[in-house]
Amino acid sequence: AQKVTQAQTEISVVEKEDVTLDCVYETRDTTYYLFWYKQPPSGELVFLIRRNSFDEQNEISGRYSWNFQKSTSSFNFTITASQVVDSAVYFCALSEPYNQGGKLIFGQGTELSVKP
Amino acid sequence: DGGITQSPKYLFRKEGQNVTLSCEQNLNHDAMYWYRQDPGQGLRLIYYSQIVNDFQKGDIAEGYSVSREKKESFPLTVTSAQKNPTAFYLCASTREAGVVYEQYFGPGTRLTVT
Repeated sequence: AQKVTQAQTEISVVEKEDVTLDCVYETRDTTYYLFWYKQPPSGELVFLIRRNSFDEQNEISGRYSWNFQKSTSSFNFTITASQVVDSAVYFCALSEPYNQGGKLIFGQGTELSVKP
Repeated sequence: DGGITQSPKYLFRKEGQNVTLSCEQNLNHDAMYWYRQDPGQGLRLIYYSQIVNDFQKGDIAEGYSVSREKKESFPLTVTSAQKNPTAFYLCASTREAGVVYEQYFGPGTRLTVT
């Protein structure tokens, strides 16, 4: 069965610290996609990144970076020099194959609190 | 601006009443999804639809019903059969092109049933 585990329920850091959010997934599919979403207090999920299983290159977008390692089934997310506005719940998600509906399986989420 | 609209943001109902949550998108996306989120938990899929007039059950479909009569609309009805309906409901949509693309989410509806 497919599964996403975000072992860190809550993380608290002080502004300007770097922080890494862990994501471990399980799947038997060879083609799949991984995602990260941000959920601020308003509740709406904001898409951050989509990565397919054949592309293991790390990605950087401003202060955000992602480390995808198939060997350990992990897709970790790092925020460099965190800011108060980064405070939110972050979800990692794994897709089912397109021909099965392309549904997303979400982890439980990690609540990040960045204190000034 | 393109996006997904969910209304209302907050909804209160008495136990035993059916209630319909609306979801409209103007992104021209083919697929639409309904998720439920309980406090401190991830999202769980209720129903999804990849094409008009067709929809599939997700992991927790019992007590819910949907329709997809138009591409841009995917309303969710929470029936009196749903034992714990109080939750945050999120609608999402995505384009379909043979691969899995990111889903875009609406602002959500917080339903409270007393």
